[in-house]
Amino acid sequence: GDSVTQMEGPVTLSEEAFLTINCTYTATGYPSLFWYVQYPGEGLQLLLKATKADDKGSNKGFEATYRKETTSFHLEKGSVQVSDSAVYFCALRSNDYKLSFGAGTTVTVRA
Amino acid sequence: NAGVTQTPKFQVLKTGQSMTLQCAQDMNHNSMYWYRQDPGMGLRLIYYSASEGTTDKGEVPNGYNVSRLNKREFSLRLESAAPSQTSVYFCASSENIGAYNEQFFGPGTRLTVL
Repeated sequence: GDSVTQMEGPVTLSEEAFLTINCTYTATGYPSLFWYVQYPGEGLQLLLKATKADDKGSNKGFEATYRKETTSFHLEKGSVQVSDSAVYFCALRSNDYKLSFGAGTTVTVRA
Repeated sequence: NAGVTQTPKFQVLKTGQSMTLQCAQDMNHNSMYWYRQDPGMGLRLIYYSASEGTTDKGEVPNGYNVSRLNKREFSLRLESAAPSQTSVYFCASSENIGAYNEQFFGPGTRLTVL
């Protein structure tokens, strides 16, 4: 079945540091890939998505590229802020309704 | 436009008690979902409703029932709560079922079963 593996946290960074969160997937067919973010005390929000190979999703300074050859969708941001402190979830969706989530990575950015 | 709302925000139950988690959306979406979030496991789908009048089991439906009361509301019921159901529960909705429909999430209900 479909599955998502993302790097374990927690990750602690200083402001303006570079952030990478690794995500790899296993899926049948050609899934769509997503990054969701969960800020403290809130529900999940869609951060970015990519629906086919080599697509790059971007939002709020975050980027991720759909790499079919390495089955990866790594999240990157060049200069993080304290407000980026959150839990980040990688997810995929194959040809039906079901979203499969990774375990989540907690990111803390210190001033 | 509140999006997806859930009540209550927090709940503590004793083993064997019952309760209903409420969810409503004001985006005129056809499809709604219930997930549970456990540490180190991401979100897992409990039940979903593709459209008003239909419900189907997800990945972890045991111990739960759902009701799609109308297009706006989708409730989750625990008939006899167990400690294994301690979790954070999220409701979500999307315009339709299908791979390209974004799901919008509520703020969650944190449930503890003693």
